[in-house]
Amino acid sequence: TQLLEQSPQFLSIQEGENLTVYCNSSSVFSSLQWYRQEPGEGPVLLVTVVTGGEVKKLKRLTFQFGDARKDSSLHITAAQPGDTGLYLCADPFLKYIFGTGTRLKVLA
Amino acid sequence: DTGVSQDPRHKITKRGQNVTFRCDPISEHNRLYWYRQTLGQGPEFLTYFQNEAQLEKSRLLSDRFSAERPKGSFSTLEIQRTEQGDSAMYLCASSFGVGEGDIQYFGAGTRLSVL
Repeated sequence: TQLLEQSPQFLSIQEGENLTVYCNSSSVFSSLQWYRQEPGEGPVLLVTVVTGGEVKKLKRLTFQFGDARKDSSLHITAAQPGDTGLYLCADPFLKYIFGTGTRLKVLA
Repeated sequence: DTGVSQDPRHKITKRGQNVTFRCDPISEHNRLYWYRQTLGQGPEFLTYFQNEAQLEKSRLLSDRFSAERPKGSFSTLEIQRTEQGDSAMYLCASSFGVGEGDIQYFGAGTRLSVL
């Protein structure tokens, strides 16, 4: 069974700081999705990465898919309080196995 | 398009009672998923429908759990004889897919508290 581990588990930073969170798999991903979930809401898809080595940018968020497609990272530049939430990675080809999540809190 | 809606948003029940949750997917979506999420964890897959057919069920879905999607539209998830361990957020998602890897749209969830 594929396991998706995310690190760190918790992250509390000041507004304006940069951060990176990671998603690692025990198996090769077919593709990988990143979601953000705000308190009291369902997850919302941010991006899908498909090709090893792929880099996608979404405003201040940069997503990178590892060359071997077993890991991915999400980098946030100049974090804002609105970035607060639970960041989840998921493999959409394996009945949506979700990672353990990184809970981010950005303090104003 | 109002998105995926779930009802109720919160449910408090006593151990041993039955509860039923409803999910209304995005209207043109043929697939519907149920997940369970405990505090601080990622969602765990429970079951999946394509139209009205329930195609897969997780080991997490014990015989106390049953899900239906009559006519391929809304879905219900029923938990019989609730236990304290059933306390969690129950999320529904829908998608339009013909293969694997479709994009799921999630509802806001139903938070269940079993006392």
